[in-house]
Amino acid sequence: DAGITQSPRYKITETGRQVTLMCHQTWSHSYMFWYRQDLGHGLRLIYYSAAADITDKGEVSDGYVVSRSKTENFPLTLESATRSQTSVYFCASSDGGLAGTDTQYFGPGTRLTVL
Amino acid sequence: QKEVEQNSGPLSVPEGAIASLNCTYSDRVSQSFFWYRQYSGKSPELIMSIYSNGDKEDGRFTAQLNKASQYVSLLIRDSQPSDSATYLCAAPGISGATNKLIFGTGTLLAVQP
Repeated sequence: DAGITQSPRYKITETGRQVTLMCHQTWSHSYMFWYRQDLGHGLRLIYYSAAADITDKGEVSDGYVVSRSKTENFPLTLESATRSQTSVYFCASSDGGLAGTDTQYFGPGTRLTVL
Repeated sequence: QKEVEQNSGPLSVPEGAIASLNCTYSDRVSQSFFWYRQYSGKSPELIMSIYSNGDKEDGRFTAQLNKASQYVSLLIRDSQPSDSATYLCAAPGISGATNKLIFGTGTLLAVQP
C-alpha cells in the first residue's frame, strides 16, 4: 500500500522492556520524523532524519533510539520503557521542500501504554 | 526555547459562522507557518501554509500572517460540523529549517449544527 504506515497500532508493555515502533513510507521522502503527542503538550519532536544514515535529536529524545539504514524505514526504539513514555507516537515524512512544499505527512499513529 | 502558543479552547461556533483560530510565536525570524487539522483519534493533516505577510485563501480557509505582531490566524468561513477538530499551528524550530517544526498544543473547534 502506498503512503506512510506504522506498526503496531496499539502496544501495551511493561516498565523496563525494550519496544520498537516501526515506520515505513513508500514515497521515497528524504525526511522522516518521530513525534509524541500528549495532552497538554501537543506534538513534540523526538528524532528526525534528513536521509539514510543521518539522524538528529529533537526536543524530547532521552530514552529513545532511532536508526535509518534504508530511506523508507525509520524505526524508533524505547530502550527501557518507562511509564512517562506512555503516549501516542506519530511518524511523519516530507520531501524536504523539493516539490515546492514542506508538507509533513503523518502516519496513523501508535498508541503505546507502559504499565 | 522557541514557542508556539494557542488557546486550547474549545471554541464553539454555530454552523455557517466564521471560526477564527489564533496562534502566536516567539521567534521573530520565523518565515513560514503551517496549520494542521487533527480529527479525534486521527493523525494531523496539513490544511494551510503561509510564508509572507497578509492573507492566503484556499476555499473556505484563510490564513493570515502578521510578522510584526508575531501572530498567525486561520479563518474558516461557513463553518460545517465536519470542521470540528483540533487545529494545530506549527512554525520552524530552527529559523529557515521548515522541516523541523514546533507545534502549538492546538485549539479544539466545535461547530454546532
